[in-house]
Amino acid sequence: KAGVTQTPRYLIKTRGQQVTLSCSPISGHRSVSWYQQTPGQGLQFLFEYFSETQRNKGNFPGRFSGRQFSNSRSEMNVSTLELGDSALYLCASSVRGKAFFGQGTRLTVV
Amino acid sequence: GQQLNQSPQSMFIQEGEDVSMNCTSSSIFNTWLWYKQDPGEGPVLLIALYKAGELTSNGRLTAQFGITRKDSFLNISASIPSDVGIYFCAGPDSGGSNYKLTFGKGTLLTVNP
Repeated sequence: KAGVTQTPRYLIKTRGQQVTLSCSPISGHRSVSWYQQTPGQGLQFLFEYFSETQRNKGNFPGRFSGRQFSNSRSEMNVSTLELGDSALYLCASSVRGKAFFGQGTRLTVV
Repeated sequence: GQQLNQSPQSMFIQEGEDVSMNCTSSSIFNTWLWYKQDPGEGPVLLIALYKAGELTSNGRLTAQFGITRKDSFLNISASIPSDVGIYFCAGPDSGGSNYKLTFGKGTLLTVNP
């Protein structure tokens, strides 16, 4: 089976812009989660989707949003980017409590 | 929210040595997951533990689910240079969802050939 695929791998955006990141889960996995990884805070949970519904949400501002499509692919959006949003954004697809991560999207906000 | 304390923060060892790292939680976990992350890549799942006292191996890696359900250990035997990376423990949120993981801060392992 192909693994979790995230696109793009790298992004550079300017403060105030918005960005959309994409994730294709492992075939057959219906749960998709998003995490933010920074040197200071480590890996932090953003949200989780299952069958197009957000089931869990982390402690992030409303500028961070996501959605899941009927084919389980997911997108996350960050609006009004801030410098502190620079991070590695990781998507994971899960089954039976095991989360499998993609390679991540490295977002740099300048 | 719950926290995971992972130690040590970093280790520098010689090739061939055994390594041990651990993770403790402020609350009871029903699942423990151990991941390895290489630079610029996403974490790779190494071992999943589901029952208190469980001992599971994956090649040279062995992990244990503590009997108090508040800790877990990962051991690497006969380390090799490709073991270099950051090792993370993780567990599901105390709110009950297995799909919302809390991660430790990681153990940076360096192996000197």
